[in-house]
This record gives sequence, structure tokens and C-alpha cells, in this order.
Amino acid sequence: GENVEQHPSTLSVQEGDSAVIKCTYSDSASNYFPWYKQELGKRPQLIIDIRSNVGEKKDQRIAVTLNKTAKHFSLHITETQPEDSAVYFCAASRRDTGNQFYFGTGTSLTVIP
Amino acid sequence: NAGVMQNPRHLVRRRGQEARLRCSPMKGHSHVYWYRQLPEEGLKFMVYLQKENIIDESGMPKERFSAEFPKEGPSILRIQQVVRGDSAAYFCASSPETGALPQYFGPGTRLTVT
Repeated sequence: GENVEQHPSTLSVQEGDSAVIKCTYSDSASNYFPWYKQELGKRPQLIIDIRSNVGEKKDQRIAVTLNKTAKHFSLHITETQPEDSAVYFCAASRRDTGNQFYFGTGTSLTVIP
Repeated sequence: NAGVMQNPRHLVRRRGQEARLRCSPMKGHSHVYWYRQLPEEGLKFMVYLQKENIIDESGMPKERFSAEFPKEGPSILRIQQVVRGDSAAYFCASSPETGALPQYFGPGTRLTVT
């Protein structure tokens, strides 16, 4: 089955700086890679996603890059704000087996004002 | 997405009791996915169901856990003879059809076993 690894497990940045979270996956057939933000006690919220036919996607301060050859994808948050503080999860799935999501272990991001 | 509903939101059970968690998918959705999140861990896929059919239960423990999604009504995740290690948040997501992405989660059920 798919195995997704995520680093770092914790990340502290000064407000205004950038944050980068990296994930690797094992199943070369995975073709969809979402990122979720989870605040304490809340459900995971989809913040951005990328499909395997695209190398990069951007939405305002958030971007995701995908390197299919290396089986690696990353989340980039620029101009971080205190409200970006949360736990971020990456995931991978493949359409042909049912789109079950396999999640990384999470990154706890703290943005210091 | 508020469209996926789960209840109860909080459930407390003593060891050995049964827990029943319910998930009502978004309107028009016929596929449901269940995930478990242990304290301070990531989400783990448990089971994928279509109405009246289990598609993939590879992530669900073989004993004490079962899931169903009847023709009418919500999907049910049932845990028999709960143990303290079952304490977790259980989330579900739904999709409208085979191949569609189940991107949005319900609010979750937080199960506490005392």
C-alpha cells in the first residue's frame, strides 16, 4: 500500500517568513495530492491540492509543487500570519483503487508574531 | 464541508461497551470513507463503502470493528467491546460516484473510552 512520509514534524517561523513542508510517497500510481489544515479540535480542511499531470499550483500565499520522478511534493506558505498556525497534513491517493487518502504524520506549524 | 454530517459529535463509552458512529454523506453522494485519528497523530484510512457494499476495508481492524452503508439512512461504524486504545476522532468523507474525490470531511466523532 501507499506510504506517505512528512517532514518536519514541527516548524516555527517568524510572522512574514515562509514555511515549507515536504512529503514523499511510495506508490508511483498515486495521482492526487491534497493538503489539509487542521486546527485543534476541528476537522481537516482542504487548503490546496495538485494532480499528477501538474507540476505546480498556486493559490494566493499557498503553493504546492510536485516532482513525480522523485515522488515528492511540497507545500509552500509565504508571508505567514499567526492564523496559519495549525497542523498540516499531506495525503496521496489513486483514482483506480478508490481514492482512499493516505496521510502523512502531520506538521505542527507555529507562526510567531 | 458542512454537508457531511456526523453524530454524535462526542461519545463516551466504558470499556467493553459498544460504540455506534453515524455518517450522513452530502446530498446525492453514495460513497463514504471512514478515517481514524488517534491523539496527536495523522488520519488513517479505515473503510470505503458504497451503498449496500463494502469496497475496501483494508484499513479496518479485523476484530470488533464493522461498517455498513444501507440503502436508506446513514453509514454506521460500529465498534464492539471498546478498549481505551479506541479513543480517537473518527472522521468520514463522501463522494458522489466512483472515481470522484472525497475531499471534504464531516466534523468528526470524538470517542472517549473510560
